[in-house]
Formats: sequence, structure tokens, C-alpha cells
Amino acid sequence: ILNVEQSPQSLHVQEGDSTNFTCSFPSSNFYALHWYRWETAKSPEALFVMTLNGDEKKKGRISATLNTKEGYSYLYIKGSQPEDSATYLCAFIRRDNNDMRFGAGTRLTVKP
Amino acid sequence: DTAVSQTPKYLVTQMGNDKSIKCEQNLGHDTMYWYKQDSKKFLKIMFSYNNKELIINETVPNRFSPKSPDKAHLNLHINSLELGDSAVYFCASSQDLAGKAFFGQGTRLTVV
Repeated sequence: ILNVEQSPQSLHVQEGDSTNFTCSFPSSNFYALHWYRWETAKSPEALFVMTLNGDEKKKGRISATLNTKEGYSYLYIKGSQPEDSATYLCAFIRRDNNDMRFGAGTRLTVKP
Repeated sequence: DTAVSQTPKYLVTQMGNDKSIKCEQNLGHDTMYWYKQDSKKFLKIMFSYNNKELIINETVPNRFSPKSPDKAHLNLHINSLELGDSAVYFCASSQDLAGKAFFGQGTRLTVV
């Protein structure tokens, strides 16, 4: 994988459902992986910064895991709420340059 | 007290003009970035500055030039504007290479 790829591109779930998305990134020259939440008409806001293989981070109902050896990270949302509707971005930071590259994002819509 | 501020928020200009977008951060961060949000809402990195040194310079037209008068500012100058330059441009800063990024509110540039 040469670029940062996210799947699915979009997701529609019902309120109360749990969901997860995937971020794939190059497994070489890994330095850090970030997750951001981007609401419409706002700016992206950081959720997690992950640097170590096996990292698990949690913030309320949202959690993330990291596998640097195989080059993927999962973001989980438990019991989705309408206010969780947003685009979730991951960003890969390379070790050999100051390069923070974003995936295209997963657009989550939570229906009441 | 805005952490990363961009001005102007909206910019409408004619083809061929030269314009600048200003970005300032009051977080004491060492690294600043410029991103272009394309028509598919994808954030594409344009430039990053670390301690006033250009670290990466993506394959953007040389009509675009970042200028950093000091560590707190990274301005984006665009010469000979073209229709295809119309987009939303985001400035961001981070403490260091692995640190989470804080984004400005974006500047919507429209070239007519």
C-alpha cells in the first residue's frame, strides 16, 4: 500500500448500532497514525494519536486499535448516536519526512 | 481564543490575479501545514514547515508558494490564479512530527 486508504467510503447506521471503519497505510517508515473527526462546516478535530504497534485508545464510546506491522488501524463506535454523524479521517505520518497524509475518510450517518 | 486562524474565510477573485491567504497559530507549535480540499472533499497536503524550514513540497504548481515570516505564521501566496485553484484551503499546526494537528477554519477560494 503506497497511500492511505479508508473503507468504507460511507456508512449509514441506525441509532444504537455499533460500527467500525478501517484505515490502511504503508507498513514501512511508520511514525504515527492519527484519527480525526470532521463535521460538516467545521474543521477536522483530532480523536487519537497512535504511535506503537498494538496501541489501543478509547474516548467515551469511540476506540481505535493499531497494527503497524500489517499497516492498518480500526476505529470503533459503540452505540452510535446521531451526533456521531461526521467524516472520520485517518492520517499517516512517515518517519523519514514531515509528511502527514490523510485518507479520503469514511462518511458516517447515524439515523435516529 | 482561536488556536489556528486563517484569513480571509472567503476569497473571490478573478483569473490571473495574485492573492494570499494568511495563517497564524498561537500554540507555540513547530510545524505548520497547508492542505487543499479537492472536489471530492479529500485533504491533499501541499506544504509543511518545521521551524521555518520547508520540509516537504508536494507537486503543486510553482504559482503556489508558502512564506513563513516567523514560527507562528505560514502564509500561502498564489500567483496567476486559475479556475482550477478554486477549493477550500486549510492551514494546520502540530507540536512536532507525531503530534495531533489543529486546523484553521478553512478559506474558500473561488476563482471566476
